Amino acid sequence: ETGVTQTPRHLVMGMTNKKSLKCEQHLGHNAMYWYKQSAKKPLELMFVYNFKEQTENNSVPSRFSPECPNSSHLFLHLHTLQPEDSALYLCASSQDPGTMGNEQFFGPGTRLTVL
Amino acid sequence: GDSVTQMEGPVTLSEEAFLTINCTYTATGYPSLFWYVQYPGEGLQLLLKATKADDKGSNKGFEATYRKETTSFHLEKGSVQVSDSAVYFCALPSYNTDKLIFGTGTRLQVFP
Repeated sequence: ETGVTQTPRHLVMGMTNKKSLKCEQHLGHNAMYWYKQSAKKPLELMFVYNFKEQTENNSVPSRFSPECPNSSHLFLHLHTLQPEDSALYLCASSQDPGTMGNEQFFGPGTRLTVL
Repeated sequence: GDSVTQMEGPVTLSEEAFLTINCTYTATGYPSLFWYVQYPGEGLQLLLKATKADDKGSNKGFEATYRKETTSFHLEKGSVQVSDSAVYFCALPSYNTDKLIFGTGTRLQVFP
């Protein structure tokens, strides 16, 4: 595997379900990100982890719970979601967070549908 | 604060037409500037970048020049193809944070 991978690619869940999204980066980067991309809305940054420490939580509801066990893996645990949480969830990683050259590499995304 | 402004889409062109997608920015310091592309059903891919003023980034026939005097980083391509149909995002690193600031994206539709 190369780059940034995300699983599953598609997920359909009910509002009472609990599920997790997984992201893995094979680039040796130090920082990982979760973004939410909804139709007709700008890209929204959700969480940032730098060296496994959370450095950004963009006022995300507690029904989204991130976990970063190491610099290569990032999870997004989901519970009691709402239909408006249906979106494409993108994971990214970067080598140089906090610098003027902070280039991010993205995974293909997980398309989430909440029924 | 830092910000990126992109032209509204969609941009609709015929194949082989000239493309310009405007991007202007407000930034503290002199960050790198990026163009990302998102093809249907996929994540974002870095298309090109420029790291300092007057640098020209280029890839796949696309070009953008880092213009400090006009705070712009317009994306251009001389002859678009149907396969260039995608959403294009201009972005820059936010000063002293771990974040990238993205524009709202511009959808390009190219017809044969």
